[in-house]
Amino acid sequence: GNSVTQMEGPVTLSEEAFLTINCTYTATGYPSLFWYVQYPGEGLQLLLKATKADDKGSNKGFEATYRKETTSFHLEKGSVQVSDSAVYFCALIRSGDSSYKLIFGSGTRLLVRP
Amino acid sequence: NAGVTQTPKFQVLKTGQSMTLQCAQDMNHNSMYWYRQDPGMGLRLIYYSASEGTTDKGEVPNGYNVSRLNKREFSLRLESAAPSQTSVYFCASSVEELNTEAFFGQGTRLTVV
Repeated sequence: GNSVTQMEGPVTLSEEAFLTINCTYTATGYPSLFWYVQYPGEGLQLLLKATKADDKGSNKGFEATYRKETTSFHLEKGSVQVSDSAVYFCALIRSGDSSYKLIFGSGTRLLVRP
Repeated sequence: NAGVTQTPKFQVLKTGQSMTLQCAQDMNHNSMYWYRQDPGMGLRLIYYSASEGTTDKGEVPNGYNVSRLNKREFSLRLESAAPSQTSVYFCASSVEELNTEAFFGQGTRLTVV
C-alpha cells in the first residue's frame, strides 16, 4: 500500500545547527510529496512540496529533493533557529487518487535550544 | 481571512455521550477532510468529501459519521463516544488537484472519560 515513514523524534539541536529529517515513501506511480509543519497549539501548514522526480522544494530556508531512485524526500535546513521548534510531517498524495487525500508520516518533533 | 474554522476547540465527554464537531471553510474548496492525530501515529484520515453531497470512508471511520451540509460545511459526529476516540481532530480543505496545498483548522482536542 501507500505509506510514509519518518525518523522518530524528538530531534534536539542547538541553534545554528544543521538539520536533517529523513522521510521515505512507498507508493504506486508518481506521487506528489509534501512537508507540513505544526507549531505548538496550531493546525498544520504547508512548508514545501515537490511534484516530480528531482524537483527541489524550498521555503523559509528548508529544502527537500524528490528522489525517485531512493523513494526519499528528506528535509534539510542549514542553520536552525529556536522558532523552528515544531512537529514536521512528511506526506504524499498518490497519483491517480481522485480524492487527493494526504497520507502522512508519524511526524518528527524538533526542539531547538538557544 | 478565516480559512478553515473548527468548533469547539476543546471538549470533554463521558463514555457513551454524543457530539458533533463543526468545520467550515470560506475558500470555495470542493474537497474537505477529517483527520485524527494521535501520538506517534501522525494524522489518519477518518472521512472525506470530494464534493457537496458525497462522502467516503478513510482509514479509520468506525465510530464516526459525517455530513457535508453544503459546500462550506463538513461536520463529524460521534454517536457514542469511547475512550479510544480521545484525540485531536483536524478538519482540512483543498482544491481537487494532485499538487495542491491542504488548509487545516486549528484542531479540536477531545477527551473521552
